[in-house]
Amino acid sequence: ETGVTQTPRHLVMGMTNKKSLKCEQHLGHNAMYWYKQSAKKPLELMFVYSLEERVENNSVPSRFSPECPNSSHLFLHLHTLQPEDSALYLCASSQGPGLMNTEAFFGQGTRLTVV
Amino acid sequence: AQTVTQSQPEMSVQEAETVTLSCTYDTSESDYYLFWYKQPPSRQMILVIRQEAYKQQNATENRFSVNFQKAAKSFSLKISDSQLGDAAMYFCACSDNTDKLIFGTGTRLQVFP
Repeated sequence: ETGVTQTPRHLVMGMTNKKSLKCEQHLGHNAMYWYKQSAKKPLELMFVYSLEERVENNSVPSRFSPECPNSSHLFLHLHTLQPEDSALYLCASSQGPGLMNTEAFFGQGTRLTVV
Repeated sequence: AQTVTQSQPEMSVQEAETVTLSCTYDTSESDYYLFWYKQPPSRQMILVIRQEAYKQQNATENRFSVNFQKAAKSFSLKISDSQLGDAAMYFCACSDNTDKLIFGTGTRLQVFP
């Protein structure tokens, strides 16, 4: 148990659905991240929040919408997804900001399938 | 922009033997950190070892050690006395002072008894 919890663990959604992924950390960290993990591809950094402000958005399609209401919670709102969006979505947190030597703690991920 | 390359999609090793996983990276920053993460079937990524770029001494953590070649931008992971529990995906990663942790494509390690 790393202290980062993601829910749900598995999600199947239709292309017209709206759903949200949730991430929660109780480590007192100030930076939180969303990564997308697809087969045979590097983990793709999607969003970075540092002190609850978005500091990075790596050209992610607008059908993915992050929300960070406080330093302990991070959401990823999903709408009108495509089948190619099916992947493992990982949340991570670290002490941040700018502390590049600190360890990132990961959740167990949400396995998303878009049908 | 940083990039991390892992050229070995799969590796295998016999129990108690030694295996080396390769990683090369590219960054324009002079100050950065390098990491190896392990992702077992449970999917939870766990830090294995980290290396500070300004330190010439290679990091070691018990059976895990790195061979850091800064000029060549190479950062390999050596696992000694391999155990069945070492079987997992291993990801090399690089971070700089912009809060971004960039990963490679991973190497799947199989350990045979």
